[in-house]
Amino acid sequence: EPEVTQTPSHQVTQMGQEVILRCVPISNHLYFYWYRQILGQKVEFLVSFYNNEISEKSEIFDDQFSVERPDGSNFTLKIRSTKLEDSAMYFCASRVVGATNEKLFFGSGTQLSVL
Amino acid sequence: RKEVEQDPGPFNVPEGATVAFNCTYSNSASQSFFWYRQDCRKEPKLLMSVYSSGNEDGRFTAQLNRASQYISLLIRDSKLSDSATYLCVVDNAGNNRKLIWGLGTSLAVNP
Repeated sequence: EPEVTQTPSHQVTQMGQEVILRCVPISNHLYFYWYRQILGQKVEFLVSFYNNEISEKSEIFDDQFSVERPDGSNFTLKIRSTKLEDSAMYFCASRVVGATNEKLFFGSGTQLSVL
Repeated sequence: RKEVEQDPGPFNVPEGATVAFNCTYSNSASQSFFWYRQDCRKEPKLLMSVYSSGNEDGRFTAQLNRASQYISLLIRDSKLSDSATYLCVVDNAGNNRKLIWGLGTSLAVNP
């Protein structure tokens, strides 16, 4: 089965530093997403991306966050100045089209630890 | 009322048991419903979509009750490998743009 790839698997950073989380969605997919999950809490939607622009974002996705698709394969999430509360598992996901009930493919996640 | 609510468990059952989870949702206009499975510190994986008529996939059966705004997941003949957290997911916007996730129900199947 095709896979969404995320790197790094674990990122440790100091508070206030910038981090970039990387994702390679499945090649023929058109919709991309970032979710996060704080330890012991539920999965939370951050942002969706289609046709080279953000299609929807949550309240969590403030000015500290940005997403980019710098080339035909990578999809990145940047956190400009990390805070302690940004520590979480960040999941990238993708799917082919925007159909109802369509399967979402998740990457294995990046565990971000902000110290 | 929370957007998506699940009993967090844990449910501890012996191998071979039948176990059922319920999930309630608050938005009566919700479009689509899913059960995902998540192993500890791993990514969620789609277990099954939930259709209005109910659907079955092997040992797993999902039901949707729109009138009472809940979905259910039934696992028959449970295996050790079924031990995981089961996440109820609701799509309110249509086309999966903004999935709303439950906290999950933890299942431990014991030998």
